[in-house]
Amino acid sequence: DAKTTQPPSMDCAEGRAANLPCNHSTISGNEYVYWYRQIHSQGPQYIIHGLKNNETNEMASLIITEDRKSSTLILPHATLRDTAVYYCIVLIYNQGGKLIFGQGTELSVKP
Amino acid sequence: DAGVIQSPRHEVTEMGQEVTLRCKPISGHDYLFWYRQTMMRGLELLIYFNNNVPIDDSGMPEDRFSAKMPNASFSTLKIQPSEPRDSAVYFCASNKQGIQETQYFGPGTRLLVL
Repeated sequence: DAKTTQPPSMDCAEGRAANLPCNHSTISGNEYVYWYRQIHSQGPQYIIHGLKNNETNEMASLIITEDRKSSTLILPHATLRDTAVYYCIVLIYNQGGKLIFGQGTELSVKP
Repeated sequence: DAGVIQSPRHEVTEMGQEVTLRCKPISGHDYLFWYRQTMMRGLELLIYFNNNVPIDDSGMPEDRFSAKMPNASFSTLKIQPSEPRDSAVYFCASNKQGIQETQYFGPGTRLLVL
């Protein structure tokens, strides 16, 4: 599975949009981009995933560049409860790819 | 739905003792995963089951670790004998479709081996 690169930490003001980048320059055509987050002392939580089109759900939006070498997770109106470690993962769908969690980005939402 | 249930939530034991961690997946989920999280190594997949059968145990660190799933609603992860380096948070997760689909994680078991 392709490796991902994320900044180790980011800050965001409460109520503002949080934009979390992820580089996956070696991604192959059949690999999806997944985002999970882990709030302190809890298990990881699925956020969103996509292949090449931008995706949006009730939690976030996922913007994938046209060459698919990078993506951005957007939390449109960050709250204090969004403070967590965010993991970007790429893997092949339906072919036994493992969820490999890197170090992620520690997002701190500040009042 | 109660979500994935793990027990105990915290476990403190002495080196050499046997430790058993328990997991109840979400009803109707065919896949169950065991993960370990440490500061040094992050979150690692240890083993996963499909319909109670172990599919991939390549992440199990050594023979001291074993996992079973006697039925669709219960799984155990056993460490015997335990060592201080086994201290970690152990998560159980489940889903319907397999390893690529959304996984639902339990609250974890914090294990401390003295």
